Amino acid sequence: QQPVQSPQAVILREGEDAVINCSSSKALYSVHWYRQKHGEAPVFLMILLKGGEQKGHDKISASFNEKKQQSSLYLTASQLSYSGTYFCGTVSISSGSARQLTFGSGTQLTVLP
Amino acid sequence: EAGVAQSPRYKIIEKRQSVAFWCNPISGHATLYWYQQILGQGPKLLIQFQNNGVVDDSQLPKDRFSAERLKGVDSTLKIQPAKLEDSAVYLCASLTDRAYEQYFGPGTRLTVT
Repeated sequence: QQPVQSPQAVILREGEDAVINCSSSKALYSVHWYRQKHGEAPVFLMILLKGGEQKGHDKISASFNEKKQQSSLYLTASQLSYSGTYFCGTVSISSGSARQLTFGSGTQLTVLP
Repeated sequence: EAGVAQSPRYKIIEKRQSVAFWCNPISGHATLYWYQQILGQGPKLLIQFQNNGVVDDSQLPKDRFSAERLKGVDSTLKIQPAKLEDSAVYLCASLTDRAYEQYFGPGTRLTVT
């Protein structure tokens, strides 16, 4: 069963902040975040492992609440280049492979000047 | 290093015809994935290879889809015969045994008319 992402879409102005959420009904081993620009391949942003720390990459960071099986992606002071569709991919503890992702349906982020 | 290569980039066929996609992963990447991404949705795993062996093909519609990875390097995905609902972008991704980041190719956009 695929994780649920919210919101489905968000529009914000350059410099504003955004939060994207990812929720699973299964106990998770890891959560992966990817960004896909229109017509391009998904690009890896970061991974959060069970028992790991919150990750950060420039002004994009993420957290992983193992008890709630939820992860959130935080985009601070958004730039035009942040526009795209963000996908979370999850690996459940019951999965046979730690490298097999189930992707959510995505959150479309649009940053306006 | 060179990225994941895929060809063709675009393909238009009529239903009941056959089509094949090719993927060349990053050199040294033992794991290779094929995903189907329908417009507006996240990538859905079709098959996962480890070297030239299949790890998981549980979501591959085997009555019409087939995939192989000869010599543990290049891979081909075939659809025979195609249906209208096969219209999607087919993504190939690879990763090493030492990391979790999947590198995606540019994809093949298939339109079945």
